[in-house]
Amino acid sequence: GAVVSQHPSWVICKSGTSVKIECRSLDFQATTMFWYRQFPKQSLMLMATSNEGSKATYEQGVEKDKFLINHASLTLSTLTVTSAHPEDSSFYICSARDPGPGNTIYFGEGSWLTVV
Amino acid sequence: RKEVEQDPGPFNVPEGATVAFNCTYSNSASQSFFWYRQDCRKEPKLLMSVYSSGNEDGRFTAQLNRASQYISLLIRDSKLSDSATYLCVVTSLDSGAGSYQLTFGKGTKLSVIP
Repeated sequence: GAVVSQHPSWVICKSGTSVKIECRSLDFQATTMFWYRQFPKQSLMLMATSNEGSKATYEQGVEKDKFLINHASLTLSTLTVTSAHPEDSSFYICSARDPGPGNTIYFGEGSWLTVV
Repeated sequence: RKEVEQDPGPFNVPEGATVAFNCTYSNSASQSFFWYRQDCRKEPKLLMSVYSSGNEDGRFTAQLNRASQYISLLIRDSKLSDSATYLCVVTSLDSGAGSYQLTFGKGTKLSVIP
């Protein structure tokens, strides 16, 4: 079964509203989680690295005020897309690092966001 | 910025063929290496971790060459179900920030043809 759970899987929202996506590690405590965005037929793009108890590290070109990341606990990180616009419609995926042997990265199932 | 580069795709191979993907990384301090596969409109799923000693899982063999800073994935006896995008993922510890950095390649698309 999934070790990283993402919710919701699908969300449609009106332009100008905010949407929150949750990413949970189910079997381990994740001090580090990652958020990505993927447009159709394009590769995954890392948006930010979320560190538990501290501010997220954003990639160049990603607006931190628009994509709010909160990693309040060792098993939960949230991404809030604020004032969403149609161009924010995309596939958003999180991943979490299992700190056990191997430091394996597990991905969530992804969230499809459509802004209308 | 540290880079991870993969073979440009797409790879179109007939069923039963053997296909190899390479991935090079520039950060010599990289610690962990993985191959993921991503099916269309799905999240990446872990295929294999890559160890210095090399590892094999059925038709899949992964190898790591730290000296030359590349990892490889070999798929033998390709199946139609192997069609996917294969992502090379490298992690490293940013000691200054005290956090793990994750870098991945853009992926190589494989199409196995009947």
